[in-house]
Amino acid sequence: AQTVTQSQPEMSVQEAETVTLSCTYDTSESDYYLFWYKQPPSRQMILVIRQEAYKQQNATENRFSVNFQKAAKSFSLKISDSQLGDAAMYFCAYRSAWKGGADGLTFGKGTHLIIQP
Amino acid sequence: DVKVTQSSRYLVKRTGEKVFLECVQDMDHENMFWYRQDPGLGLRLIYFSYDVKMKEKGDIPEGYSVSREKKERFSLILESASTNQTSMYLCASSLVNRGPTEAFFGQGTRLTVV
Repeated sequence: AQTVTQSQPEMSVQEAETVTLSCTYDTSESDYYLFWYKQPPSRQMILVIRQEAYKQQNATENRFSVNFQKAAKSFSLKISDSQLGDAAMYFCAYRSAWKGGADGLTFGKGTHLIIQP
Repeated sequence: DVKVTQSSRYLVKRTGEKVFLECVQDMDHENMFWYRQDPGLGLRLIYFSYDVKMKEKGDIPEGYSVSREKKERFSLILESASTNQTSMYLCASSLVNRGPTEAFFGQGTRLTVV
């Protein structure tokens, strides 16, 4: 079974600064996908960024980027120029490439990100 | 826009009651999921379904069952609610795809069992 570990229960950053959220995972599979989801106080889960394991290039979405280290099984999220609207729970998630996603996502325990004005 | 709609945002039920949590998606997704979210534990998969009338146990199925009679609807059933089932429940759906397709989530049902 796969496991996802987020070692930072809470992080705090000043507005406009950069913050990195950590995620490590354990799997014996070679083909898989990794995701970061954001859950603001509204409770709506929002996809932030996704990475395919066989792509060496790190994914980027505007102010959000990842550092994907496949050998180390590490998938950290960097948020640049932090904004008040980035305050949320952030979940790292793993999905096997097999079964077309039918068996769902494995989530970490989450990191609560606080943005200080 | 994909919409995943859960029937209630908040629900209070008594111990021993049979509880139904309903979820409907409008994008013809094959896959549907029920997760439970608890502080410090993240999201844990209860049950999933990849087709009508098909269901598979996730990581924490004990005390729950599901029903999928129509493609767009996936129901979570607590046969006899207990206080340790007080939690947030999230429904999700996704397309069957080999790529990194996004799972879309409902807004959650916060269930309190008293």
